[in-house]
Amino acid sequence: AQSVTQLDSQVPVFEEAPVELRCNYSSSVSVYLFWYVQYPNQGLQLLLKYLSGSTLVKGINGFEAEFNKSQTSFHLRKPSVHISDTAEYFCAVSPGIQGAQKLVFGQGTRLTINP
Amino acid sequence: DAGVIQSPRHEVTEMGQEVTLRCKPISGHDYLFWYRQTMMRGLELLIYFNNNVPIDDSGMPEDRFSAKMPNASFSTLKIQPSEPRDSAVYFCASSSDRNYGYTFGSGTRLTVV
Repeated sequence: AQSVTQLDSQVPVFEEAPVELRCNYSSSVSVYLFWYVQYPNQGLQLLLKYLSGSTLVKGINGFEAEFNKSQTSFHLRKPSVHISDTAEYFCAVSPGIQGAQKLVFGQGTRLTINP
Repeated sequence: DAGVIQSPRHEVTEMGQEVTLRCKPISGHDYLFWYRQTMMRGLELLIYFNNNVPIDDSGMPEDRFSAKMPNASFSTLKIQPSEPRDSAVYFCASSSDRNYGYTFGSGTRLTVV
């Protein structure tokens, strides 16, 4: 079985500062990894995903994440945040095999951008 | 594509009443998932379907919950009888093997009083 730990429940940063949201996973098999964003009163939206290939994955809204197999991590980064990035961010993992669609989500990290 | 469509957006009901939540997945997606989100427990997978067949319902809390997918374009999640502890946001999501990563609906906020 897979599990996900998001190490920070809340991250406050100032506008235009860089941010890193941390995610570690546990799995006995290869994995697919995902980051989702949830704006207030909305559903979750896919930011980016790692399935295979390059370990640096670029997503929407200027976010990127790096898959580190040895550290079992998939941290999300953005070099300069905006007020509009205020949201909850979820890391998720699934077994890295065709047809294994069940995602396990972390508890979420609330990102607050201060002016 | 209009995305995953859920209805209603909000539902307020009295304890003991039956509640039915509805979901229309993205056309061509062959997986459908029902999740529940609360502050205390986060996102919990309740059940998921592949090609309209329930694959894993181990997350369904108890017999009061049931889910159906009569065809590829429609699914329901029913709670009967409802209890205050069922109050949560219920999300439906769909996906396909051709494009990993769920597409979520906007959710149904259920309040049981």
